[in-house]
Amino acid sequence: EAGVAQSPRYKIIEKRQSVAFWCNPISGHATLYWYQQILGQGPKLLIQFQNNGVVDDSQLPKDRFSAERLKGVDSTLKIQPAKLEDSAVYLCASSLGQNNEQFFGPGTRLTVL
Amino acid sequence: GIQVEQSPPDLILQEGANSTLRCNFSDSVNNLQWFHQNPWGQLINLFYIPSGTKQNGRLSATTVATERYSLLYISSSQTTDSGVYFCAVLPTGNTGKLIFGQGTTLQVKP
Repeated sequence: EAGVAQSPRYKIIEKRQSVAFWCNPISGHATLYWYQQILGQGPKLLIQFQNNGVVDDSQLPKDRFSAERLKGVDSTLKIQPAKLEDSAVYLCASSLGQNNEQFFGPGTRLTVL
Repeated sequence: GIQVEQSPPDLILQEGANSTLRCNFSDSVNNLQWFHQNPWGQLINLFYIPSGTKQNGRLSATTVATERYSLLYISSSQTTDSGVYFCAVLPTGNTGKLIFGQGTTLQVKP
């Protein structure tokens, strides 16, 4: 069974530029999560989808971050404009349901210069 | 909100040694997961263990939910066990947001 797929794996941009990350969850998983992991810390949830609806986006900086999961499968996370403090690894995870085991993708390492 | 504390923060072992990693949490949880983050940043699922004891090869885990802690045992450690070990909990009443500890960084020397 294929795991969670993410792309790109690495991205380097200048501050104030925009960037987008893509995630394809495990087939059949209704719940999809985006986490941000800053160096030396544990991951922190940015946004959670149940099918194509948002369940929790309380920690998403909505002035610059946006995310969508239009058909309830793939998801895109966008940052516009990027700031230096957005440098982090962005992890996508999925699970069968909200209380089930979560599985993580390989992550996208973003560097903002 | 719930606090998740892992100890020790850093651990250095000789190959073949055993170790115990601890995760304390401050409130009731529906779910607890242990992960190993390898040097390439991939989070690898080790255990999904809201309560009880599970074993997988050289690794085992025990969660005592009523006392709000979980333990991860690594026996006969190997250099490939090196990396960061995270405990993450799903607080009771939460919709799915995992709360991670700060991690334990393990280095196994040959």
